[in-house]
Amino acid sequence: AQSVSQHNHHVILSEAASLELGCNYSYGGTVNLFWYVQYPGQHLQLLLKYFSGDPLVKGIKGFEAEFIKSKFSFNLRKPSVQWSDTAEYFCAVGGYTSGTYKYIFGTGTRLKVLA
Amino acid sequence: DGGITQSPKYLFRKEGQNVTLSCEQNLNHDAMYWYRQDPGQGLRLIYYSQIVNDFQKGDIAEGYSVSREKKESFPLTVTSAQKNPTAFYLCASSISGGILYNEQFFGPGTRLTVL
Repeated sequence: AQSVSQHNHHVILSEAASLELGCNYSYGGTVNLFWYVQYPGQHLQLLLKYFSGDPLVKGIKGFEAEFIKSKFSFNLRKPSVQWSDTAEYFCAVGGYTSGTYKYIFGTGTRLKVLA
Repeated sequence: DGGITQSPKYLFRKEGQNVTLSCEQNLNHDAMYWYRQDPGQGLRLIYYSQIVNDFQKGDIAEGYSVSREKKESFPLTVTSAQKNPTAFYLCASSISGGILYNEQFFGPGTRLTVL
């Protein structure tokens, strides 16, 4: 069955630390990959996406993610986090299952950045 | 302003009652989605609609019903058959429901509490 795994449920970092959030998926065929972010009190919004081409994608606010097909991974990175990055981060994968396009979200990672 | 509106923001319901959550979008998107968000479980798909007058069950459709009579509207009814309805409900839309243009845009959510 298709699935998306985010292994880090809670992450606490100090400002200026580097961030890497893991995302692994199980999905046959061509996939689209996404990271969404939910800041406290705000709507869930797109951080970045991968459809095709360069496997290293850059998103808003200095985030980037690398698609490694052989590892079925799409990890999110940021070289230096800020207090304002405190949020919940969701990985999502879209692909076809039995002829129907389906979108699956991971369980989310809560990031807290200490000032 | 283009976007997705959900109303009400907070909703209280007595056990055994049906309740309808509203979702409206003015983005001219074809596809719309309903998710349920529970702590530690991420977003789980309840129903989705790729086009007017058509909708499909998601992973946790039992106890819910939807309609899609207009492109801009996708109301969700939580019926008394839903065993654990207290949750945060998110509505989303995307340009299409297929592999292209499927970045999802989210509404602010409705928090439903069953008393």
